[in-house]
Amino acid sequence: SAVISQKPSRDICQRGTSLTIQCQVDSQVTMMFWYRQQPGQSLTLIATANQGSEATYESGFVIDKFPISRPNLTFSTLTVSNMSPEDSSIYLCSVGPARHEQYFGPGTRLTVT
Amino acid sequence: RKEVEQDPGPFNVPEGATVAFNCTYSNSASQSFFWYRQDCRKEPKLLMSVYSSGNEDGRFTAQLNRASQYISLLIRDSKLSDSATYLCVVNVPNTGNQFYFGTGTSLTVIP
Repeated sequence: SAVISQKPSRDICQRGTSLTIQCQVDSQVTMMFWYRQQPGQSLTLIATANQGSEATYESGFVIDKFPISRPNLTFSTLTVSNMSPEDSSIYLCSVGPARHEQYFGPGTRLTVT
Repeated sequence: RKEVEQDPGPFNVPEGATVAFNCTYSNSASQSFFWYRQDCRKEPKLLMSVYSSGNEDGRFTAQLNRASQYISLLIRDSKLSDSATYLCVVNVPNTGNQFYFGTGTSLTVIP
């Protein structure tokens, strides 16, 4: 399985600001995903980060709010823009081949005040 | 209707007990099935994949019933270290290979 790191591990941000979360994988992977896990809830897919093209967003998530970069096969960033308290959540990146298990980074715990 | 539904619990069981979790999925095109374990304030980690023939890994047994569209996880001889939230996960290829997560079932094993 891949080893995945995320930065920052946690942050407290003021509303209206933006935070960029980094995800680094120790090997080249084709599929990379970003999830959100709100308090007491399960995981919701935000988008699939595609290398060399725009991310594919799920219903309810838009590029202006959650811009994603994927400059190569080992790295991706997710930005949470113009934050509000409703964005307080854990953000997780994951990797995995299609139809097979996924492996998750340790997550970024975001609190918006 | 949710893609994946689980009983949230909590399940509180004594050490050594056997406990079973069930999960139902709504999309008959679902292809791959998994159980993940998530400890408090940690990321989900794969516990086991679920195969049509059923599979066992030590004290853990997973079953898949495609006709009824449910998945089960059986834990025998529960240990204190089994306390966690167990997530049922389903992959649906015709939705862009998206993985759908259940809300999780909370298990606490009591000494």
